[in-house]
Amino acid sequence: YELTQPPSVSVSPGQAASITCSGDKLGDRYASWYQQKPGQSPVLVIYQDSKRPSGIPERFSGSNSANTATLTISGTQAMDEADYYCQAWDSSTAVFGGGTKLTVL
Amino acid sequence: QVQLVQSGAEVKKPGASVKVSCKASGYTFTSYDINWVRQATGQGLEWMGWMNPNSGNTGYAQKFQGRVTMTRNTSITTAYMELSSLRSEDTAVYYCAKSSSGYYTNWGQGTLVTVSS
Repeated sequence: YELTQPPSVSVSPGQAASITCSGDKLGDRYASWYQQKPGQSPVLVIYQDSKRPSGIPERFSGSNSANTATLTISGTQAMDEADYYCQAWDSSTAVFGGGTKLTVL
Repeated sequence: QVQLVQSGAEVKKPGASVKVSCKASGYTFTSYDINWVRQATGQGLEWMGWMNPNSGNTGYAQKFQGRVTMTRNTSITTAYMELSSLRSEDTAVYYCAKSSSGYYTNWGQGTLVTVSS
């Protein structure tokens, strides 16, 4: 099972950024999203498609339907520049997308 | 607060084994699975497997079957991941992560394993 993400996404500060994650019938399973900044461990930003852990800003949101899960960051800030990974489960195996580098410029 | 503290960096020769530890605190160790994920330099996240600290049951990614062993010591709330027959391609940062219903709420700081002759 594979999850496909765009290698890079660019956004201007204050604008909305969308990062997609595609997989066969991904909408039938839960997707999670992780943020990873250079030299740091990943951090959970979205779980079960659209839920935000405590401490994650409201500007982070998620959706999942059909074959695509989407992470949206509204009002993107410079501090949001990072790599983002989607993750889902298939047959008792966890799968990560290849990651998307979000550049805020 | 939940903490996962991993052991320090390792340098190993090809063919050797490495055992990385993950000390958990701030929650009931036996109530949540521990997963292991690795990341080669400049690359993405790669899932290796899971372990249930209560039962000791495990599940491994097919890629690592036969080479990886995940264990735990509940008396000291520590999980372990041992990888054998190391090769240069195993050079990576290895992370443990606390799993809740399939997503990873907390991650260790990572352990760099370097395989070099």
